[in-house]
Amino acid sequence: DIQMTQSPSSLSASVGDRVTITCRASQYISTYLNWYQQKPGKAPKLLIYGVSTLQSGVPSRFSGSGSGTDFTLTISSLQPEDFATYCCLQTYIIPWTFGQGTKVEIK
Amino acid sequence: EVQLVQSGAEVKKPGESLRISCQGSGFSFSSFWINWVRQMPGKGLEWMGRIDPSDSDTNYSPSFRGHVTFSADRSISSVYLQWSSLKASDTAMYYCSRHEVRMDAFDIWGQGTMVIVSS
Repeated sequence: DIQMTQSPSSLSASVGDRVTITCRASQYISTYLNWYQQKPGKAPKLLIYGVSTLQSGVPSRFSGSGSGTDFTLTISSLQPEDFATYCCLQTYIIPWTFGQGTKVEIK
Repeated sequence: EVQLVQSGAEVKKPGESLRISCQGSGFSFSSFWINWVRQMPGKGLEWMGRIDPSDSDTNYSPSFRGHVTFSADRSISSVYLQWSSLKASDTAMYYCSRHEVRMDAFDIWGQGTMVIVSS
């Protein structure tokens, strides 16, 4: 199975901060990498697919980059509604696998 | 509205059987694979597998193969996740999600079904 390792596992940040979360795959996954946001008690929400394409309705302060094995989710200016857990998902090879998640908390 | 609606929370005893459901509406249900995802309390997301409602073809994650069964009834736009003998370790939230092939992503999610297994 492909292992997806996210870092950090949690971070504290303030409104307006630039936040970067990384996801590393244990092997090559091309551009088959998605990012999801999950708030407590809610289902995950698709933010970015294909490494860098924003899902419809997702604010432009979110962006994704990377290729091969190393990927990044960036929030350019953190907003109050962005405090949540973020995770990556590879859909290159079955079994598809999620990263363990990064919890973004208020500083 | 495009949506997936899951059945309600369940409380069961170890060894009991259970089937939970996920019903789609607002889209051509048989045209999309449906995934099942587990989230144990306080933990991350785990892909359990997927089913094609058009022909009930399935892929299971090795971690779940043999312990759960996916099924579908395309006539009512529904898929099911079934256990024949629950364990306490099956206590978790279970989500269904639609796999949009053009994005290669899970774009629509159900609201989740909480399953509690306790003696």
